[in-house]
Parts: sequence; structure tokens; C-alpha cells
Amino acid sequence: SQQGEEDPQALSIQEGENATMNCSYKTSINNLQWYRQNSGRGLVHLILIRSNEREKHSGRLRVTLDTSKKSSSLLITASRAADTASYFCAGTSGSRLTFGEGTQLTVNP
Amino acid sequence: EAGVAQSPRYKIIEKRQSVAFWCNPISGHATLYWYQQILGQGPKLLIQFQNNGVVDDSQLPKDRFSAERLKGVDSTLKIQPAKLEDSAVYLCASSYNSGTEETQYFGPGTRLLVL
Repeated sequence: SQQGEEDPQALSIQEGENATMNCSYKTSINNLQWYRQNSGRGLVHLILIRSNEREKHSGRLRVTLDTSKKSSSLLITASRAADTASYFCAGTSGSRLTFGEGTQLTVNP
Repeated sequence: EAGVAQSPRYKIIEKRQSVAFWCNPISGHATLYWYQQILGQGPKLLIQFQNNGVVDDSQLPKDRFSAERLKGVDSTLKIQPAKLEDSAVYLCASSYNSGTEETQYFGPGTRLLVL
């Protein structure tokens, strides 16, 4: 079964707005990663947050992790039309990545 | 550096036929993964290789799926015979090693349609 559930399943915003996606997972993890997938393409790694970290930034990305609630969020600030893609969280246990169902983000110009 | 290469990009077959997918990982990457991604879902790990040895194949339907990585570089994934529910994108990924913080690099995938 999939590790995580993501919320919302789909999100549509205007360019310049912020986008927040949430992820919940079921079992203990070593770290949590976020990946992006453009339509018809492979996944691209965005950011990794360790289980002992609470927040991490990378450019316009901000990730939080709450291990007590087994949840994570990905915030994309000042969104661009090029951010349109599916975003997946993935929990790492050992070397195995277990992906959530993903959030489809559409950024309208 | 060149990315993960996969072929073919698309394949349409009849149910009960056989199909094979090929993957060439990033040079120097010891770990190779095959994932199945059904439409609207996240990828699901099928099998993980470390060099030419299998690390994890617990989610591989072994009655019809097989994979090999004979020389520790390229890999092939085979389905024989295919079922309708095998329609999905098959993604290959590689990483330098198999640690918990390794970044996996994904290929573009092979989109399989079973009729």
C-alpha cells in the first residue's frame, strides 16, 4: 500500500500566488522527500527533510515536517506557470521510497 | 551528465503477450530501481538492485514479472504474460548508492497499454 496520502488531490491557482500541498504518512521514516513530475515525464527530486528537522528551505520551496502528526507540507511561493506539475511526497524507510498519491498543481498565467 | 535512459517510450500490446523494457542508469550509479505508476497514482517500487544483486523485490508480482541486471549496469524488466491491469508507466531510477539520503534520478518512463 502507498505510504502517504496527499491533500489536496488537485490545486489550481493564479501565477504569483502561493501553493501549499500536504502529505500524511503511516509508518516511521528516516526522511521525507518531495518530487515533481511534469506530464509524461519522470520524477525530479526537489528537497529532502530529515526526520529530526522541522523546516527546510530551498529557493521558493519551503518544507515542514511534523513527525508527531506524521505529516509534511510543501509550500511553493510566488508560483509560476512553469510550476504546473504533479507533486509527490515520499517517505524513506531504509533505502526504499514509498510515494503518496500526489497533488496535481495547475498555475494559471 | 547524461540522465537515465529508457526504451521504448511507448508500447501497446494485447493481453497475454510478452513485453520487455530496457533501462540504462546514470554512469557510476550502483543502485537501480523499477517502479510501476498507474494513472493517477504515485510510483510503486517493483524491484531494487544494488550492482547486479536484488535488494528488494517484495512488491514484484513474480508469477509474471521478472527483472535482471546482469553486469550491474543496464537492466531489463519483463512482463509475461501481460494483463489489462499492467497498463501503467514503468519508471526506472538510479542512485549513486542505497543510503537513506540518496537522491533517485528518474528516467522518462515507458508507457504501456495492454488491450
